[in-house]
Amino acid sequence: EVQLVESGGGLVQPGRSMKLSCAASGFTFNNYDMAWVCQAPKKGLEWVATISYDGSSTYYRDSVKGRFTISRDNAKSTLYLQMDSLRSEDTATYYCARHRNYFDYWGQGVMVTVSS
Amino acid sequence: DIQMTQSPASLSASLGETVTIECRASEDIYNGLAWYQQKPGKSPQLLIYNANSLHTGVPSRFSGSGSGTQYSLKINSLQSEDVASYFCQQYYDYHTFGAGTKLELK
Repeated sequence: EVQLVESGGGLVQPGRSMKLSCAASGFTFNNYDMAWVCQAPKKGLEWVATISYDGSSTYYRDSVKGRFTISRDNAKSTLYLQMDSLRSEDTATYYCARHRNYFDYWGQGVMVTVSS
Repeated sequence: DIQMTQSPASLSASLGETVTIECRASEDIYNGLAWYQQKPGKSPQLLIYNANSLHTGVPSRFSGSGSGTQYSLKINSLQSEDVASYFCQQYYDYHTFGAGTKLELK
């Protein structure tokens, strides 16, 4: 059974940093691209970033380019999202997802609140 | 950027009824479309990919159709467990989601 478990969310002040993690199990992690997708409170879904199966390529939505960094450790079957220079508009639930063009499996999500 | 316009925003239907949700893309997305179901307080779950392919374990009362810029999700014989929000997503050019459709029981 595919499982994705996020951790690392919470309350953070504007301008500060936070790192999210996603532990994967139930599939061969290093065979798949992975992604982060976010959902602001009572809002729709937004793709944030994607990393290729081997970590050699990364892609970001414009609003997070230069501030967020997606990475992975295939030996640990873990995906990361380093979020720097956080803004109030980054407040959302962040989901990690297995990425096959579409997102076929999702974690339970972790809430990030950016507020002073 | 490709924009996805989803309709209706909300929908009320009776048990056993057939429900249709539509998504229109701002340009041709060549069947690069997925549908997701999100129950309250839960993460999204994939229902349909490539416009009309049913994801593993999804009940056959769900189906997808469409081409070009117009796509639809149909739920036959609505069940109580289908109460949820539904989102479309295009992946022909990066990734854009529709605003969602909230489905409730009448």
